[in-house]
Amino acid sequence: KQEVTQIPAALSVPEGENLVLNCSFTDSAIYNLQWFRQDPGKGLTSLLLIQSSQREQTSGRLNASLDKSSGRSTLYIAASQPGDSATYLCAGALTNFGNEKLTFGTGTRLTIIP
Amino acid sequence: DTGVSQDPRHKITKRGQNVTFRCDPISEHNRLYWYRQTLGQGPEFLTYFQNEAQLEKSRLLSDRFSAERPKGSFSTLEIQRTEQGDSAMYLCASSLDTLGVGYTFGSGTRLTVV
Repeated sequence: KQEVTQIPAALSVPEGENLVLNCSFTDSAIYNLQWFRQDPGKGLTSLLLIQSSQREQTSGRLNASLDKSSGRSTLYIAASQPGDSATYLCAGALTNFGNEKLTFGTGTRLTIIP
Repeated sequence: DTGVSQDPRHKITKRGQNVTFRCDPISEHNRLYWYRQTLGQGPEFLTYFQNEAQLEKSRLLSDRFSAERPKGSFSTLEIQRTEQGDSAMYLCASSLDTLGVGYTFGSGTRLTVV
């Protein structure tokens, strides 16, 4: 059974700093890993998707990496802004007869201090 | 197409009542998922459809829960004889069975059972 862990549960950083969010998973046979953002009381917004054959993906100020051998993924946010404050969730998918259901971590609640 | 739509956004119901939620996926997406999220936790998988076929159900989905996806388009999730423990955010997501296509989530339906 795939287990996904995100540490720390909460993080506060001053505006403008670069930061890294961590995600670890137990099953290295991961098919893909996706990072999401969730604002309070809202649904999930997809940020980045990394296939198992890839090592990283970039979108604007965001960069996500995937290391299957160590069971780790990181989300790097450059030049943080107050609007980045949200909960960030990572989720891994295993192939299962074509059903790529996601297993989520519990998230990191990020607060950017103006 | 504006993404995945869920209705209603909020539902308050008395214990013992039945409730039904609707999800309209992105039109070309053939996969549809239901997840449940409680406060402070990541979403947990409930069930999955490939077109109109329900291919997997989580053990979390007791016999009071039923999901349908007639004609492979919209989906409904019904909870019968609601209990206070059913209070949660119910999230719907859709995707394509194509490499590189991740999940798109809706805004969710928040259920409160009083």
